[in-house]
Amino acid sequence: NAGVTQTPKFRILKIGQSMTLQCTQDMNHNYMYWYRQDPGMGLKLIYYSVGAGITDKGEVPNGYNVSRSTTEDFPLRLELAAPSQTSVYFCASSSIAPTGELFFGEGSRLTVL
Amino acid sequence: QKEVEQDPGPLSVPEGAIVSLNCTYSNSAFQYFMWYRQYSRKGPELLMYTYSSGNKEDGRFTAQVDKSSKYISLFIRDSQPSDSATYLCAMGPGANSKLTFGKGITLSVRP
Repeated sequence: NAGVTQTPKFRILKIGQSMTLQCTQDMNHNYMYWYRQDPGMGLKLIYYSVGAGITDKGEVPNGYNVSRSTTEDFPLRLELAAPSQTSVYFCASSSIAPTGELFFGEGSRLTVL
Repeated sequence: QKEVEQDPGPLSVPEGAIVSLNCTYSNSAFQYFMWYRQYSRKGPELLMYTYSSGNKEDGRFTAQVDKSSKYISLFIRDSQPSDSATYLCAMGPGANSKLTFGKGITLSVRP
């Protein structure tokens, strides 16, 4: 089973560039999340979605946008990349919220220079 | 006071040791408690899940929750090199019914 698939795995951006991190899940989960993980800082929630067409901000949404047009896909858009967005980004999904197990992708490692 | 605090580590132990990983929290509304394990350059995976107070055992792993002290622990018996990973505690429901994660502790088990 594929589970949660993220692309790309690695990317280097220049300051001011934009890009989209892709996330797809094949478990028919309604709940999807984007986290960023910085060294020694744990996981910070950027955006989440409770179903197709519904998204909401997490703790650290500034500089990011999301959309959820289908149950399977939850892309994260970075506009005007800044060095502070250098991080590892994880997409996750869950069938039950807030008590359900989160299934994570393998991460997208982004460097902004 | 931060909502969830986790021992910073890193932690290095010899193979076969008993490992104790701990988190404290301040939000008395937290009802469910999880431990995620994250291998290097991988996404976190759920290791243990506990609802409310008490102990839960799964093989060499025991999760313990003490709601009166706002303290949770993960014990690993007979630790193995394959246990070398980062361990994150998580609990909820927090703000907007979301999980709150600890910062994680990196464990290294030496052969």
